[in-house]
Amino acid sequence: AQKITQTQPGMFVQEKEAVTLDCTYDTSDPSYGLFWYKQPSSGEMIFLIYQGSYDQQNATEGRYSLNFQKARKSANLVISASQLGDSAMYFCAMRDEVAGTASKLTFGTGTRLQVTL
Amino acid sequence: GAVVSQHPSWVICKSGTSVKIECRSLDFQATTMFWYRQFPKQSLMLMATSNEGSKATYEQGVEKDKFLINHASLTLSTLTVTSAHPEDSSFYICSPTGQLNQPQHFGDGTRLSIL
Repeated sequence: AQKITQTQPGMFVQEKEAVTLDCTYDTSDPSYGLFWYKQPSSGEMIFLIYQGSYDQQNATEGRYSLNFQKARKSANLVISASQLGDSAMYFCAMRDEVAGTASKLTFGTGTRLQVTL
Repeated sequence: GAVVSQHPSWVICKSGTSVKIECRSLDFQATTMFWYRQFPKQSLMLMATSNEGSKATYEQGVEKDKFLINHASLTLSTLTVTSAHPEDSSFYICSPTGQLNQPQHFGDGTRLSIL
């Protein structure tokens, strides 16, 4: 079974500063994908970044980067130059990626990020 | 632009009413559809998985007779909450999927409030 752990219920960061949201995972699957989503108060799930378990390099998407440490089973999200609009709930998620199948996402409990002036 | 269209976005109705939620994949053929539910201040929990042209599989504790899922085409899946009660009030969100190594997108979700 897969498990995602987000130990930070809430985080504060000042505008323009960088922030790291923690995520650890547990799985016995040989191939898997890791995701981060942003959920604003309006509810939609906004895809931010994806990391495949066999990717050699850490994923980056604009101001978002994923610090993937496979041996430690961690997939922390780093947001650089925080903006007020980054205030939202952030979910880490993973899925099994055995070839030829599309698997469900398992989510962590989320971290609420508040960006302050 | 949006790759998944889900509607309605918000429903308020009386207890006992049946509510249908539609989810359309716009840019790709969705062989599989995942339906999630999110209660306030909680994470997303998978309710059921459907594959085009076959019956849905439900997670433990989810009543298949209450939450009817139809995945009749590669672009449309529907979730019908039958005889809804206040405890069914929640945020329902769909996620179609096709190829691996592609981001898994979500619909914008449906807030269901049963009075």
